[in-house]
Amino acid sequence: DGGITQSPKYLFRKEGQNVTLSCEQNLNHDAMYWYRQDPGQGLRLIYYSQIVNDFQKGDIAEGYSVSREKKESFPLTVTSAQKNPTAFYLCASSPRAKVGGLFFGEGSRLTVL
Amino acid sequence: AQRVTQPEKLLSVFKGAPVELKCNYSYSGSPELFWYVQYSRQRLQLLLRHISRESIKGFTADLNKGETSFHLKKPFAQEEDSAMYYCALQTDSWGKLQFGAGTQVVVTP
Repeated sequence: DGGITQSPKYLFRKEGQNVTLSCEQNLNHDAMYWYRQDPGQGLRLIYYSQIVNDFQKGDIAEGYSVSREKKESFPLTVTSAQKNPTAFYLCASSPRAKVGGLFFGEGSRLTVL
Repeated sequence: AQRVTQPEKLLSVFKGAPVELKCNYSYSGSPELFWYVQYSRQRLQLLLRHISRESIKGFTADLNKGETSFHLKKPFAQEEDSAMYYCALQTDSWGKLQFGAGTQVVVTP
């Protein structure tokens, strides 16, 4: 069953703690993305990666970190430096294509207590 | 600067009425545009892309380069069309997308 799997679906964190969100895809896609979804603001790009061992900052990278050690995996760490981490996080992937479109995971909802 | 604007946060329509979701973009290159939909408790999914010139679930969207718009239309709204809709602009050859703020559509019987 091909697709993108994000885990956990729900996560609670105390202030000052780092937390890592998992994203795995078996679509053999080269590019992977992390977006943050907030009501009224749409989706904003946090980080993206086009090839293994390389990644780029998106529009709101501060307070986040990523790694891309394997093509299938693109975990996101929300660090204690992120001032407003409570949000819905979406992972996506795409094949390299002139006109493609992203495939999304089901998302992870992070709540900071 | 590249930007996608969806001016309506909420659109409430009656079943059977036409619905139009507005999307305007700002982009210096040749635009590749998409509409995504997110139904309640489901993942965000592609609805249609302008290059395909397709009609999905009765929805169509036409790219108007003169007005820099990509409005989504459906002549007769159904209750199952209630969802959040996002307009998106592709900004590189790998598929990176910039999204608008989204429009919540509520179709009432």
